[in-house]
Amino acid sequence: EAGVAQSPRYKIIEKRQSVAFWCNPISGHATLYWYQQILGQGQKLLIQFQNNGVVDDSQLPKDRFSAERLKGVDSTLKIQPAKLEDSAVYLCASSFSRVSGNTIYFGEGSWLTVV
Amino acid sequence: TQLLEQSPQFLSIQEGENLTVYCNSSSVFSSLQWYRQEPGEGPVLLVTVVTGGEVKKLKRLTFQFGDARKDSSLHITAAQPGDTGLYLCAGFTDKLIFGTGTRLQVFP
Repeated sequence: EAGVAQSPRYKIIEKRQSVAFWCNPISGHATLYWYQQILGQGQKLLIQFQNNGVVDDSQLPKDRFSAERLKGVDSTLKIQPAKLEDSAVYLCASSFSRVSGNTIYFGEGSWLTVV
Repeated sequence: TQLLEQSPQFLSIQEGENLTVYCNSSSVFSSLQWYRQEPGEGPVLLVTVVTGGEVKKLKRLTFQFGDARKDSSLHITAAQPGDTGLYLCAGFTDKLIFGTGTRLQVFP
């Protein structure tokens, strides 16, 4: 079974530039998550999709971050314009459903450095 | 804001030692999960605990869910260099909340 695929793996951009990350979840998984992981600060849920609808985007900085999952399969996370503090690992994950105890499968992450 | 505090934040030990990582919150969770993340990889699920007081063992790893379902612990017996990584607890209410993480380094 193929895992969660993310690209690009690594990206270095200058502040105020834009960047987009792509995620293809495990086939059949209705729930898709984007997390931001900053070393020493833990992992924050940016947005959660159920099929192509947004379930939770309460911690997404909407002035600069956007995400979509138009056909309920793969998803794109965009940052425009990027700030230095956006340097982080962006983890995409998927699960069969969003009920408690469900196994969430993570991709390898997209490592962003903003200089 | 729901918070899951893990302690210690960093841990460096010699091969063969035992260790315990704690995960604490003021919130009650319907389930709690532990993940391990190795450098350059995404987190991988180790275990899910659901019932208060539940204990699960995975080889040298023992996981316990607190009676009140607000806290959990991970105990590793006779740690090995292969145990090195970032350990994350995550509690589920209406969404999955991740802990602050414990970075473990086991030296041979």
